[in-house]
Amino acid sequence: DVQMTQSPFSLSASIGDTVTITCRTSQNIRSYVNWYQQKPGKAPKLLIYAASNLKGDVPSRFSGSGSGTDFTLTISSLQPEDFATYYCQQSYITPPWTFGQGTKVEVK
Amino acid sequence: QITLKESGPTLVKPTQTLTLTCTFSGFSLSTSGVGVGWIRQPPGKALEWLALIYWDDDKRYSPALKNRLTITKDTSKNQVVLTMTNMDPVDTATYYCAHLPGTGFAPWGQGTLVTVSS
Repeated sequence: DVQMTQSPFSLSASIGDTVTITCRTSQNIRSYVNWYQQKPGKAPKLLIYAASNLKGDVPSRFSGSGSGTDFTLTISSLQPEDFATYYCQQSYITPPWTFGQGTKVEVK
Repeated sequence: QITLKESGPTLVKPTQTLTLTCTFSGFSLSTSGVGVGWIRQPPGKALEWLALIYWDDDKRYSPALKNRLTITKDTSKNQVVLTMTNMDPVDTATYYCAHLPGTGFAPWGQGTLVTVSS
């Protein structure tokens, strides 16, 4: 199975900050990484697919990059509605479709 | 607009079999390339993918759970059913179904919390 290692586990940030979350995979998965946002009590929502493609209804302050084994999710100018938990997920070597352990973005 | 909704018991006893139904609208599971997956999340923990069924009835299972899982579809009813045998308290989780049009799961159902307890 492809292991997904996210870092940090959690972070504290202020409104307007730029936040970067990283995801490292145990095998080369080309650009087959997706990023999800999950708010408490809600289902995950797809933000970015194939490493860098923003889903249509997602604000442009979200961006993704990377290929191979190292990927990043960047949130520019953090907004109040961005405080949530973020997960990476690979869809290249399946099954299984593996998820990272999540990164919680909290208010500083 | 694509929507999915999970239904099933909220409480099951240890050793029982769990049956969950995902009822969806806004897409057809007979369209080439489309799939529906099940993902679960224990309270306070990360997401875990369980199973996936494709438009052509190809089925994929989590290697860790494949002996306990069965996924089926009823295209005419727009439903996907997941069964998990021999339930244990560690299987307590919110179970989600989600649409897989390509590489990412989107959208997801609201989820259903299943508690395993005697």
